[in-house]
This record gives sequence, structure tokens and C-alpha cells, in this order.
Amino acid sequence: GENVEQHPSTLSVQEGDSAVIKCTYSDSASNYFPWYKQELGKRPQLIIDIRSNVGEKKDQRIAVTLNKTAKHFSLHITETQPEDSAVYFCAATTTGGGNKLTFGTGTQLKVEL
Amino acid sequence: DTAVSQTPKYLVTQMGNDKSIKCEQNLGHDTMYWYKQDSKKFLKIMFSYNNKELIINETVPNRFSPKSPDKAHLNLHINSLELGDSAVYFCASSQRSRDTIYFGEGSWLTVV
Repeated sequence: GENVEQHPSTLSVQEGDSAVIKCTYSDSASNYFPWYKQELGKRPQLIIDIRSNVGEKKDQRIAVTLNKTAKHFSLHITETQPEDSAVYFCAATTTGGGNKLTFGTGTQLKVEL
Repeated sequence: DTAVSQTPKYLVTQMGNDKSIKCEQNLGHDTMYWYKQDSKKFLKIMFSYNNKELIINETVPNRFSPKSPDKAHLNLHINSLELGDSAVYFCASSQRSRDTIYFGEGSWLTVV
């Protein structure tokens, strides 16, 4: 089955700096890679996703890159703000047929003033 | 008008008890899931149903039994609760032909 590794487990940045979270996956058949943000005591919420036919996707201050050959994908957050503080999860799956998302172990991002 | 709602939000119960968590989605999705998030925040799928049919059944003790009366509802029944069952259980849904999975607010289960 799919295995997703995520690094770092914790990340502390100064407000306004950039943050990068990296994930690797094992199953070359995986073709959908979402990123979820989970604030303390809340549900995971989708913030951005990318499919295997795309190398990069951007949405305002967040962007995701995908390297299919190396089987890794990354989340980039620019101009970080205190409200970006949360746990971020990457995930991977093959689309269709049940959509079994395999999650990474999460990154606790802390944006300090 | 919560999209994926689950009840109860908090549940404290004694070891050996049987408890259920209910989930309902009003998004018109055909696929529903149960995920477990342990104390280390690790999210892992337990079950998935598509149009009331079980399609994913991970290595979960058979004390856990999902039931889907219709495609908008997926309940989770847990027998003989153990301390290790303490976790947050998230219900989620998606449209099978699409990828985005939407999570409910979670049910915090504490077994004492």
C-alpha cells in the first residue's frame, strides 16, 4: 500500500517568512495529492491539492509542487501570518475506486510574531 | 447547514461499554469514510462506503462495525471499548468521481 512520509514534524518561522513542508510517497500509481490544515480542536480542511498531470499549483500565498519522478511533493507558504499556525497534513491517493487517502504524519507550524 | 455532521462531539465512557457515533452529510456525496486520529495526530482510514456498500475495510478490530443505512449516513458502532480506542474519530465524505474529501468536526472519544 501507499506510504507517505512528511518532514519536518515541527516548523517555527517568523511572521512574514516562508515555510516549506515536504512529503514523499511510495506508490507510483498515486495521482492526487491534497494538503489539509488542521487547527487545534478542529477538523482537517483542504487548503490546496495537485494532480499528477500538473507540476505546480498556486493559490494566493500557498503553492504546491510535485515531482513525479522523485515521488515527492511540497507545500510552500509565503508571507506567513500568525493564523497560519496549525498542523498541516499531506496525503496521497489514486483517484476513483474508493479514494483511500494516506496521510503523512503532520507538521506543526508555528508562526511567531 | 453543516456539510458533514457527526454526533456526539464528546464521549467519555468506561472500558467494556458499547457506543455509537453517528454521521450525516448533506452534500449529496456517494462515498463516506471513518478516519481515526490518535494522540499523536496521525490520521488513518478505517472504513469507506460507496452507496451503502463497504469498499474499504482497513485492519481494524472487529469490535468496530460501520453501518450505512443510506448514502447520506454512516454510523460507527464500537463494542467492548478499550483504553486504546481513545481518539478523535472523523467522519468524511466525497463524490466518488471527484477527489476532495470533506471532514466532519470530529468525535472525541475518551475511554476510562
